[in-house]
Amino acid sequence: AQKVTQAQTEISVVEKEDVTLDCVYETRDTTYYLFWYKQPPSGELVFLIRRNSFDEQNEISGRYSWNFQKSTSSFNFTITASQVVDSAVYFCALSEASGYGQNFVFGPGTRLSVLP
Amino acid sequence: NAGVMQNPRHLVRRRGQEARLRCSPMKGHSHVYWYRQLPEEGLKFMVYLQKENIIDESGMPKERFSAEFPKEGPSILRIQQVVRGDSAAYFCASSPAGPISGNTIYFGEGSWLTVV
Repeated sequence: AQKVTQAQTEISVVEKEDVTLDCVYETRDTTYYLFWYKQPPSGELVFLIRRNSFDEQNEISGRYSWNFQKSTSSFNFTITASQVVDSAVYFCALSEASGYGQNFVFGPGTRLSVLP
Repeated sequence: NAGVMQNPRHLVRRRGQEARLRCSPMKGHSHVYWYRQLPEEGLKFMVYLQKENIIDESGMPKERFSAEFPKEGPSILRIQQVVRGDSAAYFCASSPAGPISGNTIYFGEGSWLTVV
């Protein structure tokens, strides 16, 4: 069975600091997909990024970047020059190519607080 | 840009009443997922449905909970005889195809159930 671990329960940083959110996953599949979602205080879940297991290229989108390393089964998320609006709970998720709905599994989330 | 639509956004029920939560997937999406988020906790998978079919209900409590996704109309998550422990946010998500294809699932804004 697959599993997603986000060891950091809560992180607090001061605005403009860089912050990295860790995500470690477990899977036996060779084909799988990794995701990050953001849940701001308003409660909705916002999709941020999707990565497939064959694409280890890191990705940058504005102040956001993602580092996917199969060797360590990690898919970490870095926010550069954090802003107060980045305060949210961030979820990492894993989906395996085999199986059904249960196979879209979320980590427990990391609550990021960016202080002004 | 019609995303996943959930209603009601907030629902208050007395213990013993029934709660019905509705979810209309994004246009073109025929796969629906329901997740539950207890206060200060992560997302727990409940059920995965396609039109007229329950594909995976391994996360659903055995009693009082049911889900459907009829040929016409929204998906419904039904909770009978609600108890205080059912108070949570219920999120619906949809995708154009199942997890096996690695599709991203997009979430609605959630339905917050409070049982008093």
